[in-house]
Amino acid sequence: KQEVTQIPAALSVPEGENLVLNCSFTDSAIYNLQWFRQDPGKGLTSLLLIQSSQREQTSGRLNASLDKSSGRSTLYIAASQPGDSATYLCAVIGGSGTYKYIFGTGTRLKVLA
Amino acid sequence: GAVVSQHPSWVICKSGTSVKIECRSLDFQATTMFWYRQFPKQSLMLMATSNEGSKATYEQGVEKDKFLINHASLTLSTLTVTSAHPEDSSFYICSCGGTGGPDTQYFGPGTRLTVL
Repeated sequence: KQEVTQIPAALSVPEGENLVLNCSFTDSAIYNLQWFRQDPGKGLTSLLLIQSSQREQTSGRLNASLDKSSGRSTLYIAASQPGDSATYLCAVIGGSGTYKYIFGTGTRLKVLA
Repeated sequence: GAVVSQHPSWVICKSGTSVKIECRSLDFQATTMFWYRQFPKQSLMLMATSNEGSKATYEQGVEKDKFLINHASLTLSTLTVTSAHPEDSSFYICSCGGTGGPDTQYFGPGTRLTVL
């Protein structure tokens, strides 16, 4: 059974810091991995989708990497801003003929002004 | 493109009543729709997968008679919480798959259900 874990569970940093959020998964047979942002009481905003054949994706200040063999992904946030405060979720899209999203436990980020 | 809506965005009901939540794909045909629930400060848990015109497949531990799912068309799926109780209070999110490939889902904005 696929299990997805995110570390740290919560993070509070001053504005301007570069951040690394970690996501690990137990079954490396995945199709894709996707990072989302969720603001309190809101739905999901897709940030980056990494296909299994890719090693990383970049969008603005965000960079996500994927190492399938080790079951790890990282989300790098450069020059953090208070507006980045949210919960960040990673989700692996499973292999073996299924397309289920298995979500991680989330990292609650707070960027202080 | 790939916009998914949910209605209502929030609902409050009395214990014992039934509540229906709609999920619509606005600009594409969704052959598969998914329903998730999220408890406060927890992650999303898949409840069921539904394919248009066929019965939903429920995840282990999800009561199919309590959470009725209907996927009558390629743009609409409904989740009905029957005889709701306070422990059913949660954030329910749907997603639609199909337009970007079977491994891509587009998520709705969620519905907050509070059962008194």
